[in-house]
Amino acid sequence: DADVTQTPRNRITKTGKRIMLECSQTKGHDRMYWYRQDPGLGLRLIYYSFDVKDINKGEISDGYSVSRQAQAKFSLSLESAIPNQTALYFCATSDFMGLAGDSYTDTQYFGPGTRLTVL
Amino acid sequence: AQSVTQLDSQVPVFEEAPVELRCNYSSSVSVYLFWYVQYPNQGLQLLLKYLSGSTLVKGINGFEAEFNKSQTSFHLRKPSVHISDTAEYFCAVSVMGGYQKVTFGTGTKLQVIP
Repeated sequence: DADVTQTPRNRITKTGKRIMLECSQTKGHDRMYWYRQDPGLGLRLIYYSFDVKDINKGEISDGYSVSRQAQAKFSLSLESAIPNQTALYFCATSDFMGLAGDSYTDTQYFGPGTRLTVL
Repeated sequence: AQSVTQLDSQVPVFEEAPVELRCNYSSSVSVYLFWYVQYPNQGLQLLLKYLSGSTLVKGINGFEAEFNKSQTSFHLRKPSVHISDTAEYFCAVSVMGGYQKVTFGTGTKLQVIP
């Protein structure tokens, strides 16, 4: 079974509808992320969460909200979908790599993606 | 803030030929560097990473990258590509010292031609 799963894998919806994308992980990681991918723009961070009680906005959080229901679950909601939110959405988790001193970094583990189309 | 530039959006190369995918970064402090690969209809997966130590980093599937601090580059290379290497490749950077989000480049599509 995949370590990071996303549901649904594909979704077509209409402008103004509320949409929820779900992410589950079995990697036991505390950190989870939501990104969107657009052609030519790479990946942009929407929200990230270090644990159940720690949720932070990324660079493009407007129009989105998240919920961290448990360590293993992190959901992304579009309260009122609009066409420019049509994109490929990825959930990711990361492990904490402690290095010398206060330096550390994260290797990201991605889900398979959700292709969202807003008409 | 850090940034990543992948100047080549697409790189066509014949099978068994060598390839280099370019990545340049900008940061005022020391960085960690990553290459991720995205195969069609899949999520990204880590190819290799530079944290410290040797500037030549070897990854999966025969890829390697060299960290060049003076040129602020982290180019990805493979001496002989296969059809199965056709994918999109993303360079990414995060800075040392406290949590800093990972910043991804815009990606380079590698097309291996039979």
